[in-house]
Amino acid sequence: SQQGEEDPQALSIQEGENATMNCSYKTSINNLQWYRQNSGRGLVHLILIRSNEREKHSGRLRVTLDTSKKSSSLLITASRAADTASYFCATGPGVARGTALIFGKGTTLSVSS
Amino acid sequence: GAVVSQHPSRVICKSGTSVKIECRSLDFQATTMFWYRQFPKQSLMLMATSNEGSKATYEQGVEKDKFLINHASLTLSTLTVTSAHPEDSSFYICSARKTGLDNEQFFGPGTRLTVL
Repeated sequence: SQQGEEDPQALSIQEGENATMNCSYKTSINNLQWYRQNSGRGLVHLILIRSNEREKHSGRLRVTLDTSKKSSSLLITASRAADTASYFCATGPGVARGTALIFGKGTTLSVSS
Repeated sequence: GAVVSQHPSRVICKSGTSVKIECRSLDFQATTMFWYRQFPKQSLMLMATSNEGSKATYEQGVEKDKFLINHASLTLSTLTVTSAHPEDSSFYICSARKTGLDNEQFFGPGTRLTVL
């Protein structure tokens, strides 16, 4: 099953530009998380935002969450070639024990120098 | 931090053989672990939830007799792909849930399975 939908599916930008990716989800959540995955590699956890938070920052990353619209955005500022990767949002569907993170389809970001 | 390991990282096997993948939480106990599968250029799809000491819960469309899950201890879950076929070739990723405010999941580095 899949919860989130990211858009755009693919994004190509130049180094130094900002990259914005959006994620929409369907059901209520406890938190929403963003991950990065380089081609053929494992996941790297970027940031977690709880359902009672609206915005969170971590370095060049800024995440917003709008629970009324069931959407989140990830902004990467001053992008670098090393940011080239796939980015996934994942929702923690509730406080029930044992419930898994459900991933969106992902956005493939290409940053050219 | 919380570290999750997977072994092996890469495996190539012949069609019809069985392959076992181990997932270990190295510095915390995990009563719940999860197994995901990822096909090329696609997202992670949840296969099953593994609960220590009880039967795994499989997602719709995942064959429990083909993907055997054992969670015999608080730090180890195994996924056995039985009678593997080329269509089972995929990237398998496990995660372990750490009890806490956010019940965060920590992911293993993944196992690349290629069935010839």
